[in-house]
Amino acid sequence: EVQLVQSGAEVKKPGESLKISCKGSGYSFTNYWIGWVRQMPGKGLEWMGFIYPGDSDTRYSPSFQGQVTISADKSLTTAYLQWSSLKASDTAMYYCVTKSSSWSGPFEYWGQGTLVTVSS
Amino acid sequence: SYVLTQPPSVSVAPGQTARITCGGNNIGSKSVHWYQQKPGQAPVLVVYDNSDRPSGIPERFSGSNSGNTATLTISRVEAGDEADYYCQVWDSSGDHRVFGGGTKLTVL
Repeated sequence: EVQLVQSGAEVKKPGESLKISCKGSGYSFTNYWIGWVRQMPGKGLEWMGFIYPGDSDTRYSPSFQGQVTISADKSLTTAYLQWSSLKASDTAMYYCVTKSSSWSGPFEYWGQGTLVTVSS
Repeated sequence: SYVLTQPPSVSVAPGQTARITCGGNNIGSKSVHWYQQKPGQAPVLVVYDNSDRPSGIPERFSGSNSGNTATLTISRVEAGDEADYYCQVWDSSGDHRVFGGGTKLTVL
């Protein structure tokens, strides 16, 4: 059974750094793209980017390029989403997702979500 | 960038058929995927590649795609189908993944 288990909720202040995680299990971690989707409070879904753990190839949505860093540790079968300096507008639920093997394919599996709250 | 347009809301009585549309320029040439998100839960894939269903998704969920409109059809709607529904495609021009704005399905 494929499982994506995300780290717990975070409360941070503006300007602080943060790294959240997503541990994959039940599938070949290195052979599937894994990425992140943002959902701001009361809003829709936004694709942020993903990484291919096999070779660390990483793709970002233009909206998030330069704003966040996506990485992965093959040995831990874990993907990460990182901010160097949080803003209040980063307050959102963040979902970890795996993409099917087809390049145009869907986000097949979703983590339970990590709520990030940024407030002074 | 590629834009997907969904109606903000759709209402339907139990037992009837709900149709949720997703509009985009020549979307019929793309593979469309649909996700269901119930309150307080993570989204779930309900239809992929226009009309295929993942295992465990009831046959009541079906999809079609032609021209400038893709449609998610939910037959014999139940109270448990009340949720937000999102369409999603791969925008080949920019190699990006795009979501529609979402449609709230209300079961009357």
